[in-house]
Amino acid sequence: EVQLVESGGGLVKPGGSLRLSCAASGFTFSSYSMNWVRQAPGKGLEWVSSISSSSSYIYYADSVKGRFTISRDNAKNSLYLQMNSLRAEDTAVYYCASGSTGTFRNWGQGTLVTVSS
Amino acid sequence: DIQMTQSPSSLSASVGDRVTITCQASQDISNYLNWYQQKPGKAPKLLIYDASNLETGVPSRFSGSGSGTDFTFTISSLQPEDIATYYCQQFSFGGGTKVEIK
Repeated sequence: EVQLVESGGGLVKPGGSLRLSCAASGFTFSSYSMNWVRQAPGKGLEWVSSISSSSSYIYYADSVKGRFTISRDNAKNSLYLQMNSLRAEDTAVYYCASGSTGTFRNWGQGTLVTVSS
Repeated sequence: DIQMTQSPSSLSASVGDRVTITCQASQDISNYLNWYQQKPGKAPKLLIYDASNLETGVPSRFSGSGSGTDFTFTISSLQPEDIATYYCQQFSFGGGTKVEIK
């Protein structure tokens, strides 16, 4: 069974940093693209970033470009999102999702990031 | 960036009704369009991929069609368990359609 477990969320002040992790199991992690999607409280889904299976291709939404960095460690079956220069509008539940590029087939349960002073 | 415009933003229908949601892309995306269902407090679930392919295990009352810039998602006979918000997606997501029972 595919399992994706996010961690690292919490309360951070504006301008601060946070690193999210996603631990994957139940599938061949190194064969699949991975993605981060977020959802602000009461709002819709927003794609954040995607990384190909070998990290050769990386994409970001304009809203996070230059502030967030996606990475993965295939030896550890783990996905990461380094978030710097955080803003109030980054407050959201952050989901990791696996699948082919652009198709989010399996999802974690999410981790809440709150940016507030 | 490609923008996805979804309509309506909400709808109310009776059990057994046919429900249709549309999604328009700001440029030609071929058939690279997916549909997701999200229930309150839960992660989204992939229902339809590549515009018209039903994900494994998803009931056949769900279907999708379209190509290029215009896409349609249909629930052929609305069931109480279908109450959720539905999103189209091609990297970026549409704004969502909240489906309620009348």
